[in-house]
Amino acid sequence: GAGVSQSPSNKVTEKGKDVELRCDPISGHTALYWYRQSLGQGLEFLIYFQGNSAPDKSGLPSDRFSAERTGGSVSTLTIQRTQQEDSAVYLCASSLALNEKLFFGSGTQLSVL
Amino acid sequence: AQRVTQPEKLLSVFKGAPVELKCNYSYSGSPELFWYVQYSRQRLQLLLRHISRESIKGFTADLNKGETSFHLKKPFAQEEDSAMYYCAPHNDMRFGAGTRLTVKP
Repeated sequence: GAGVSQSPSNKVTEKGKDVELRCDPISGHTALYWYRQSLGQGLEFLIYFQGNSAPDKSGLPSDRFSAERTGGSVSTLTIQRTQQEDSAVYLCASSLALNEKLFFGSGTQLSVL
Repeated sequence: AQRVTQPEKLLSVFKGAPVELKCNYSYSGSPELFWYVQYSRQRLQLLLRHISRESIKGFTADLNKGETSFHLKKPFAQEEDSAMYYCAPHNDMRFGAGTRLTVKP
């Protein structure tokens, strides 16, 4: 079956614009995670979902960031009023259940000009 | 807070030399720790998990509760081992900062 799918693979936007990043997890995976990977930095945890609920939003960098998951499947990460420091690779991962092996997508490269 | 620390951002060794990537944790109880790897232009993927006590691509990692460590080791590094390695606690999914390993010919 298909792995974790993320779209778009690349997104170039202007400072101040809103962007939406999409993640399609592996079918049947109840847990879904968002991370940010900046050049020279490690993996920064943003948020995770168990089903449609996000018990821990403490990783979101600011209130410009939000995420939702519907139907226990697709998730969208929204960044409002993008800033240049938002430029990074945004990774999504899913797992069959919490604390199980993570399967990662190939990421969305976001560039804010 | 539960944390893992990878003290080395960069590690460089010669082919055939032993390699050890460090990971220290600060947890109470019994942590469940994993190593993930990202090769150039590939997706991040699981390398191994401590409960399975297996060896993958020649790598092993032992949980040392006395030293609160979960170091990743390989006796003879290969050029294809060059990658970014992350230590991860599956209690809260906050990965370590990662170590970029370069194996030189």
